[in-house]
Amino acid sequence: EIVLTQSPGTLSLSPGERATLSCRASQSVSHNYLAWYQQKPGQAPRLLIYGASSRATGIPDRFSGSGSGTDFTLTISRLEPEDFAVYHCQQYSSSLLTFGGGTKVEIK
Amino acid sequence: QVQLQESGPGLVKPSETLSLTCTVSGGSISNYYWSWIRQPAGKGLEWIGRIYSYGSTNYNPSLKSRVTMSVDTSKNQFSLKLSSVAAADTAVYYCTRGAPSTHWGQGTLVTVSS
Repeated sequence: EIVLTQSPGTLSLSPGERATLSCRASQSVSHNYLAWYQQKPGQAPRLLIYGASSRATGIPDRFSGSGSGTDFTLTISRLEPEDFAVYHCQQYSSSLLTFGGGTKVEIK
Repeated sequence: QVQLQESGPGLVKPSETLSLTCTVSGGSISNYYWSWIRQPAGKGLEWIGRIYSYGSTNYNPSLKSRVTMSVDTSKNQFSLKLSSVAAADTAVYYCTRGAPSTHWGQGTLVTVSS
């Protein structure tokens, strides 16, 4: 099983600031099959990034993903009010898909 | 556009079987992976398992002994059964399409309680 560890658990930032979220895997994620999701209270998650760095349909370009192997990063270049939410990473490279524990981005 | 909708009892008694169905509209169920994911209140996401439209399955080993998934292509539906439930199975259950999950249902809260 590939264990994903997200850090930090909570990120306190102001609108307009840059957010950098980390997702570290316990073993290499083949083909960089790593996705990021955004989840707001009471809503289902929404796919932001797949393949570590490809934006899903309709996702603004302030969201970007990077990394390979075991270390991945989601960057939000300038936080908008609607970006304050919980972010989950997921690997889908094996037949057992796993999620990280999530990072909450909150308003400072 | 593709939409997914979960349905099933919101309350299940301990030791009984949780049964949920996901109805897919706006597209065919064929040629995709379909997953079930759950989220206890205030906690993270847990992948339960997936079924391909032709019937092959992958389950989370932590739940494998209790999980059964099936697909009904004639109804554009797929289903989850989780047996011998306990309070720890109380969660919002989501059905999703694809790997990664590009489409999600709105989620349905299932409470395990007597």
